[in-house]
Amino acid sequence: GAVVSQHPSWVICKSGTSVKIECRSLDFQATTMFWYRQFPKQSLMLMATSNEGSKATYEQGVEKDKFLINHASLTLSTLTVTSAHPEDSSFYICSARSGEQFFGPGTRLTVL
Amino acid sequence: GIQVEQSPPDLILQEGANSTLRCNFSDSVNNLQWFHQNPWGQLINLFYIPSGTKQNGRLSATTVATERYSLLYISSSQTTDSGVYFCAVDPGNMLTFGGGTRLMVKP
Repeated sequence: GAVVSQHPSWVICKSGTSVKIECRSLDFQATTMFWYRQFPKQSLMLMATSNEGSKATYEQGVEKDKFLINHASLTLSTLTVTSAHPEDSSFYICSARSGEQFFGPGTRLTVL
Repeated sequence: GIQVEQSPPDLILQEGANSTLRCNFSDSVNNLQWFHQNPWGQLINLFYIPSGTKQNGRLSATTVATERYSLLYISSSQTTDSGVYFCAVDPGNMLTFGGGTRLMVKP
């Protein structure tokens, strides 16, 4: 199957700082990528749809100014959590479609 | 939006036992996928099955789109099957996940 990578796999930051997470499709091109968030023992919730060359589409309740998404190429989307706070601590997962959807390994964010 | 319900929410099996996980969805879908989330959080694709039946080793899946449900069968379970199994449906252009079934297989 297709491969999606994420970097970093985990990050710890201080409250008020910004964190950037990268999502790459390694062996295919993706005009659309998806960002999910997962809290402990819960399911995945879609945050936003990242569109190459255009603005991302955010789900209801997700602050677009806090979660900045850039999809500058057909293989790379980035999610920047701006002015992070402890409540932003979560597991962030990206995906891309090549027929079916394939998921990256996730990024565990801890905000102190 | 579309609702996706999985049952049971939790399941404990003895190694070697068989099990059936169910996924009900509230509207027509273009696609349906089953995933296994391992202890490190990685989602592993099991089946891409908008309709019909597929088999892969000890796992098989059946989707009856007209009745809006899908079943995942695990036979001769092993301890490595432990984890969370998610069903996700795509009514248009994005996946909506069910709540998952947390499976523990005991040796």
